[in-house]
Amino acid sequence: DIVMTQSPDSLTVSLGERATINCKSSQNVLYSSNNKNYVAWFQQKPGQPPKLLIYWASTRDSGVPDRFSGSGSGTDFTLTISSLQAEDVAVYYCQQYYSTPYSFGQGTKLEIK
Amino acid sequence: QITLKESGPTLVKPTQTLTLTCTFSGFSLSTSGVSVGWIRQPPGKALEWLALIYWDDDKRYRPSLKTRLTITKDTSKNQVVLTMTNMDPVDTATYYCTHSLDYGDPIQHWGQGTLVTVSS
Repeated sequence: DIVMTQSPDSLTVSLGERATINCKSSQNVLYSSNNKNYVAWFQQKPGQPPKLLIYWASTRDSGVPDRFSGSGSGTDFTLTISSLQAEDVAVYYCQQYYSTPYSFGQGTKLEIK
Repeated sequence: QITLKESGPTLVKPTQTLTLTCTFSGFSLSTSGVSVGWIRQPPGKALEWLALIYWDDDKRYRPSLKTRLTITKDTSKNQVVLTMTNMDPVDTATYYCTHSLDYGDPIQHWGQGTLVTVSS
């Protein structure tokens, strides 16, 4: 099974500042035949289901603000929020969908300083 | 518009079998590549992938729970059913139903989730 490890577990950032969350997979999740990294990022607010932000490691889902960006390849991935807004307070999860069981990171709780 | 809704008991006793139903609309589980899955989240904890069923009835399970899980579909009713046997208090969680559009796609849609508590 592929293990996804996020860092940090929690993060406190001032409004307007950059937030960076890292995710490392225990195995390569880059499919060589299509050159796609099978990593997604989700945002979960209290009492709500997760919401897809980023897929293929760097593609923003429809309607996601452009302050959210994803990067990385192979085993190391990053979610960046370029200018933190109050509504970005949430728990963020990375997930690999390269092979079943599709696994999630343990989550990163993002708060405002 | 794609929607999914989970239904089932909110309280089950230890050793009982849990049966959850996902009723969806806006897509067909007879369309090539489509899949519906289940993910759970214990209170205050991380997401845990459980199972997946594809349009062609291909099924995938979390290995550690494979002996306890069964996923089935009823295409005519637009429903997917997950059963989990021998429930234990550690299985207390919110159970989510999910949808992916095609093979190898990420989860694009989630249900609102249903909280299942396991307690005597």
